Amino acid sequence: NAGVTQTPKFQVLKTGQSMTLQCAQDMNHNSMYWYRQDPGMGLRLIYYSASEGTTDKGEVPNGYNVSRLNKREFSLRLESAAPSQTSVYFCAGALMGYTDTQYFGPGTRLTVL
Amino acid sequence: DQQVKQNSPSLSVQEGRISILNCDYTNSMFDYFLWYKKYPAEGPTFLISISSIKDKNEDGRFTVFLNKSAKHLSLHIVPSQPGDSAVYFCAASVPGTYKYIFGTGTRLKVLA
Repeated sequence: NAGVTQTPKFQVLKTGQSMTLQCAQDMNHNSMYWYRQDPGMGLRLIYYSASEGTTDKGEVPNGYNVSRLNKREFSLRLESAAPSQTSVYFCAGALMGYTDTQYFGPGTRLTVL
Repeated sequence: DQQVKQNSPSLSVQEGRISILNCDYTNSMFDYFLWYKKYPAEGPTFLISISSIKDKNEDGRFTVFLNKSAKHLSLHIVPSQPGDSAVYFCAASVPGTYKYIFGTGTRLKVLA
């Protein structure tokens, strides 16, 4: 039982490059989330998926796209990376969502040069 | 506009003493709150939660208090231990959605 896993752990991109951050969970979560953590800003929600087949914008969705590939996997794509997207990205899952505990992955540290 | 605020970026406490971490929110519709703890290079982990129908919830050394009229919650850790040194985030569940809004975090350092 791996919980919530994220790949890669670290990534360095050049401005304009694209990449996909992968997230998978084996906890039977219906809801999945992508957050970014920046110094002094806390955790900000980028996108979330309340259930398989649905996705919705969070607080800071610009510059990102997501795919809920199936119940287990929720990926985050940067089409044209910018230095402002340098951050630590966390994926999380919850059984249903509202009032449910979120379980977080270990994070991906992304640097955009 | 920060709807969940943690105004103290850091806090230092002696081992064995009480740690009190504070959180304020602006939206009176919030009715469920959670605290998470985060160690460096790890994802946040759930610590304790409280529903607005309660004003206190306790789990071992951790107690969360909710003051709805003041839109304020606090996390008490008694006694504090060096292993409690971490960043603590409070979060509010947004009613009618599956979203959570997090505060900016408070870094707690427990001194041995």
